[in-house]
Amino acid sequence: DAGVTQSPTHLIKTRGQQVTLRCSPKSGHDTVSWYQQALGQGPQFIFQYYEEEERQRGNFPDRFSGHQFPNYSSELNVNALLLGDSALYLCASSFGLAGLGETQYFGPGTRLLVL
Amino acid sequence: AQSVTQLDSQVPVFEEAPVELRCNYSSSVSVYLFWYVQYPNQGLQLLLKYLSGSTLVKGINGFEAEFNKSQTSFHLRKPSVHISDTAEYFCAVTPDNYGQNFVFGPGTRLSVLP
Repeated sequence: DAGVTQSPTHLIKTRGQQVTLRCSPKSGHDTVSWYQQALGQGPQFIFQYYEEEERQRGNFPDRFSGHQFPNYSSELNVNALLLGDSALYLCASSFGLAGLGETQYFGPGTRLLVL
Repeated sequence: AQSVTQLDSQVPVFEEAPVELRCNYSSSVSVYLFWYVQYPNQGLQLLLKYLSGSTLVKGINGFEAEFNKSQTSFHLRKPSVHISDTAEYFCAVTPDNYGQNFVFGPGTRLSVLP
């Protein structure tokens, strides 16, 4: 049973560029959440997708957008990259909306470096 | 809004000694509480969670945590640590109603020394 998978594992971009990160949820899960984890800090919630719609959003600018596909996989897009966007981006999946006590399972993350 | 405080950024402890990692939270509504562990270069793994019922929660790898509503705390404990427990530990909360997201603490780095 495959867990949560993310691609790519590492990415280097320059300021102003755009990036797309991908996530496949754990088998049987229908909800995907994205988190940004800066170095030495805890994860910060970006947004959550359920039934192909953004259901909740954290305190992130509109440069951060996402999408969920019919097979429940998800993409995180970041436009106009800033140096401060350098971080580990974590995807988490759950069955049902996380926030109702459902356990979230995390992927290994994509490490983004913006130069 | 919710917030989570983990007062100890680093906790060094010798192998086979007990350990307690502290977590306090702030919320105006009832919450669910979680502890996650992050090993180097990996994602987060759930250790345990409190939803309701008994305030003493047992998790994987011999960890347990106790929910104290009056002190708004959810401290993590293990009676005897191993070298393999060296990792970053995160406490997280989410309100117990629909439409809310997880809030994580800043993490505690547990270093188990031989």
